[in-house]
Amino acid sequence: QSALTQPASVSGSPGQSITISCTGTSSDVGGYDSVSWYQQHPGKAPKLIIYEVNNRPSGVSNRFSGSKSGNTASLTISGLQAEDEADYYCNSYTSTSPYVFGTGTKVTVL
Amino acid sequence: EVQLVESGGGLVKPGGSLRLSCAASGFTFSTFSMNWVRQAPGKGLEWVSSISRSSFYMFYGDSVKGRFTISRDDAKKSLHLQMTGLRTEDTAVYYCVADGGNFDYWGQGTLVTVSS
Repeated sequence: QSALTQPASVSGSPGQSITISCTGTSSDVGGYDSVSWYQQHPGKAPKLIIYEVNNRPSGVSNRFSGSKSGNTASLTISGLQAEDEADYYCNSYTSTSPYVFGTGTKVTVL
Repeated sequence: EVQLVESGGGLVKPGGSLRLSCAASGFTFSTFSMNWVRQAPGKGLEWVSSISRSSFYMFYGDSVKGRFTISRDDAKKSLHLQMTGLRTEDTAVYYCVADGGNFDYWGQGTLVTVSS
């Protein structure tokens, strides 16, 4: 099972919105509404920020939102803040092995 | 408060074995599927293995299939990963993850280094 494809890096200025894509196939992203997103700050464990494409766990800022179209899922961070600087990973259920992660995206706040 | 505390990591030679453990608290362990996810130094996340509630199903990533064995003890609220035939490419931080439909709760990880 190949990793889902994410851009290596995305950057934006404070207050701007950025979008991170996560591209898979019809056997994973396109076939299931089981896409989740994780935020990881340096030296820390990942944290769930979006589940089932567009749902936020309790306590996660509403500046984070998710969507999906075909085989590509997206994470949008609006009103970018310094604390959003981190690595972001998507994850999907797959038909061949239970789970696959994306390649990861480093978000830089300029 | 949910807590997942991994232990058992360390330095091991290629071909060696290691057993990781994860102690869970703060949630109903038996109602969650559990997973191991690893992260090689400077690299991305890789799903390693999953075990369902009541140990009905176990799944493994292709890179560890036949070498790693996942198990759980619901009475002791613990998760384990028996790793054999270790390779240098298995060097990573191994995270214990509780799955209530997603990778909901993560431990802080334990470092496994495979080197001669």
